[in-house]
Amino acid sequence: SQKIEQNSEALNIQEGKTATLTCNYTNYSPAYLQWYRQDPGRGPVFLLLIRENEKEKRKERLKVTFDTTLKQSLFHITASQPADSATYLCALVANQGGKLIFGQGTELSVKP
Amino acid sequence: DADVTQTPRNRITKTGKRIMLECSQTKGHDRMYWYRQDPGLGLRLIYYSFDVKDINKGEISDGYSVSRQAQAKFSLSLESAIPNQTALYFCATSDTTSGGYNEQFFGPGTRLTVL
Repeated sequence: SQKIEQNSEALNIQEGKTATLTCNYTNYSPAYLQWYRQDPGRGPVFLLLIRENEKEKRKERLKVTFDTTLKQSLFHITASQPADSATYLCALVANQGGKLIFGQGTELSVKP
Repeated sequence: DADVTQTPRNRITKTGKRIMLECSQTKGHDRMYWYRQDPGLGLRLIYYSFDVKDINKGEISDGYSVSRQAQAKFSLSLESAIPNQTALYFCATSDTTSGGYNEQFFGPGTRLTVL
C-alpha cells in the first residue's frame, strides 16, 4: 500500500542545535516533495519544494534533501531557535497536477 | 486582509444537521481544495476543484459534498453531520503555473464539533 510517514514522536532539541526531520514514503514515485510548517490552530504554511532531480535545496537556515533511491526526504533547521517550534509536514504529489498527499507531521520543540 | 478566508471559524452542531463551511480566496487561483485534519492522521483530501466546472473526489469524500460557486468560492457541505466528522477543516488554493507544482495556500481552518 502507499504510505507517507513522518516521525510521530515529538522532537525536542536545544536552541542552537540542528533539527533533522524525516519523511519516508513507499509505493510512490513523486515528481516533487514539499515541506510545510503548521502552528497550533493555524493552517499550514509552505516552506520549500524539492524536485526529483534535485538532491538538495536550501533557504536561509532550512535545508531539504531528497533521495529517490531511499524514498526519503530529510528536513534540516540549522541554528534552531525557540520560534522554530511548530509541527512540520511533508507532502508529495501522487501524480502531476498538484494534488498532494500529506504526512502526519512531526512536532518540533526548541528549548532555550 | 487574508488571502484565503474560511467561515465559520468554529462551529458546534448536532448529529443529523446539515452544515456548510465556506471558503473564499482573493489570490486569483484556479485550484481549490478541502482537507480535514485529525490528530495523528495529518491532512486528508476531501474534494478538490481545478476550475469552476471541475469537481473531483479526494481520499475521504463520503458524507461530504462541495459546490464551486465561482473561481473565488468553494463550499463544503455535510448533509447529515455525524460525530466522527468532528475535525479541523482547511481550505487551500494553488496556482496552475509551472505544471501544477506550486505550493498550496491554506486558510485559517474551521473547527467543527458534531455532538
